[in-house]
Amino acid sequence: DIVMTQSPLSLPVTLGEPASISCRSSQSLLHSYGYNYVDWYLQKPGQSPQLLIYLGSNRASGVPDRFSGSGSGTDFTLKISRVEAEDVGVYYCMQGLHSPSGTFGQGTKVEIK
Amino acid sequence: QVQLVQSGAEVKKPGASVKVSCKASGYTLTSYYMNWVRQAPGQGLEWMGIINPSDGSTSYAQKFQGRVTMTRDTSTSTVYMELSSLRSEDTAVYYCARRRISPYYGMDVWGQGTTVTVSS
Repeated sequence: DIVMTQSPLSLPVTLGEPASISCRSSQSLLHSYGYNYVDWYLQKPGQSPQLLIYLGSNRASGVPDRFSGSGSGTDFTLKISRVEAEDVGVYYCMQGLHSPSGTFGQGTKVEIK
Repeated sequence: QVQLVQSGAEVKKPGASVKVSCKASGYTLTSYYMNWVRQAPGQGLEWMGIINPSDGSTSYAQKFQGRVTMTRDTSTSTVYMELSSLRSEDTAVYYCARRRISPYYGMDVWGQGTTVTVSS
């Protein structure tokens, strides 16, 4: 089975400063069509998860442009250019390529210093 | 508007089964897969499986094979997840989340979650 490994697991950040989360897959998530089947989700406290990024680098509808996704193959990164108070929560990467699809990383908790 | 509304909280005894529903509105059910994801208290997200409401085909995570059944009723735009032989470790919030069949856009709409408590 595919394993998704995130780091760090806890990320204290300063408002207005950038933040970065890494996600590594045990198998390549690059499809032959050229797309990386990795998503990023944010679960704010007390809420259902919400989609931030799909196919590695595409922002979902309504997601602010301070969020960006990058990477290919087995190594992926979610970046927040300037952290805002509403960005606190737990961030998860998830692979959607290898059947049965849907393996999540352990989650990275982002909190304000 | 597009939404997924799940059934209410459940309390079950060990060994029993639970069936959680997820009613879709505001879009065509058969254009999207439906995933089920659960979250144990204080833990991360765990993908359980997926159903194609168009033909009823399913794919389950190996961990749940033999215990989980996902079905759909297209007449009511409702998808169901039934988990049997419940044990205390199944205590969790269960979410449904849609994903467009094609092209791939990730799980863009989630239900509000259903709390299932397994306790004797």
